[in-house]
Amino acid sequence: QQQVKQSPQSLIVQKGGISIINCAYENTAFDYFPWYQQFPGKGPALLIAIRPDVSEKKEGRFTISFNKSAKQFSLHIMDSQPGDSATYFCAALSGGSYIPTFGRGTSLIVHP
Amino acid sequence: DVKVTQSSRYLVKRTGEKVFLECVQDMDHENMFWYRQDPGLGLRLIYFSYDVKMKEKGDIPEGYSVSREKKERFSLILESASTNQTSMYLCASRDGMNTEAFFGQGTRLTVV
Repeated sequence: QQQVKQSPQSLIVQKGGISIINCAYENTAFDYFPWYQQFPGKGPALLIAIRPDVSEKKEGRFTISFNKSAKQFSLHIMDSQPGDSATYFCAALSGGSYIPTFGRGTSLIVHP
Repeated sequence: DVKVTQSSRYLVKRTGEKVFLECVQDMDHENMFWYRQDPGLGLRLIYFSYDVKMKEKGDIPEGYSVSREKKERFSLILESASTNQTSMYLCASRDGMNTEAFFGQGTRLTVV
């Protein structure tokens, strides 16, 4: 059973464009939603995270939008750059255990 | 900076061999995790440990075991390696009071 569904599996964007990755979850106990970025040959690293008490969080060119009623959250990368080319994972955690449940990942390629 | 170090970047083992994957973290984290990463399947939890000598099965524990004799070290053991265990293995650690997980660089295991 896939608790966090992520789409698309792959994404190609031109430099300067907006990259959008979506995730949906079922478990209403989830209360922390991080995004991880993974470059080839590296382990994933935390990029940005949000809690459900806010609908949006922005850090530089990266924004998480959160829709609690729809149980969906998304990552927006504004002015996408070739250096953003990586695999992105959404995740969800619930209080108490805080064991991350990951989406299947999105491979982003930003063309120069 | 938190450092999670996996002992090998690449390993090639033969079917039936006993394989040890080692992970060491330097931040005194209580929680440690082993994930397996496969294309299109994302990160799947194999085992986790929330204290020395304590372990819990994740989503795909079959064919694996773990050992945590010291707080900083978490080992993943493949008792009898099989070709379907060819994969990227990622170790992670997390402070019990925090939500962010820190990953190692991964071990790419090939079983022939």
